Amino acid sequence: DAMVIQNPRYQVTQFGKPVTLSCSQTLNHNVMYWYQQKSSQAPKLLFHYYDKDFNNEADTPDNFQSRRPNTSFCFLDIRSPGLGDTAMYLCATSNRQGYGYTFGSGTRLTVV
Amino acid sequence: GENVEQHPSTLSVQEGDSAVIKCTYSDSASNYFPWYKQELGKRPQLIIDIRSNVGEKKDQRIAVTLNKTAKHFSLHITETQPEDSAVYFCAENDMRFGAGTRLTVKP
Repeated sequence: DAMVIQNPRYQVTQFGKPVTLSCSQTLNHNVMYWYQQKSSQAPKLLFHYYDKDFNNEADTPDNFQSRRPNTSFCFLDIRSPGLGDTAMYLCATSNRQGYGYTFGSGTRLTVV
Repeated sequence: GENVEQHPSTLSVQEGDSAVIKCTYSDSASNYFPWYKQELGKRPQLIIDIRSNVGEKKDQRIAVTLNKTAKHFSLHITETQPEDSAVYFCAENDMRFGAGTRLTVKP
């Protein structure tokens, strides 16, 4: 009964090779978020969508982009991954801001 | 963006003791303060939250208190059990997380 599903669970990509991570939700939540979590660190917000309105954090690298083609799906595109992009990428949803998140299981990305 | 400071970074308690984790925020307009528990290799999960119109909220062994004047909020876990061992994150308005507290409950 997973409600926020991320694919793949594990991804290994070569330095500089574009990669796309996906997130889907069955909750019909308006807001979707992408977080990057490096080992032993707090999740760091990359982007969020409030419906179709895209919000980019000021310190999110230009290398990272996102798409939300419909309510259910959201994608994270990393155009030219660097070694420093190795991390867990967490997708989260909420009905609206200020009501707590439901996180997906995450995609563990390794850049080699 | 505004920062959320979380202390301590690590906390070790004996089973049955209480654990307290504190977070301080800077945006006086913030009105929602959730706490998440993340076990090793798993996703963060919301365990309790509080809004700025109340000072305390309790759910069984877990409670959260909010001091709006001092701009801090705290997580209290009573009668700790080994399965409470995890990393706990506070957040401010859902957007920004504290650095996390690794809680270890020793049997």
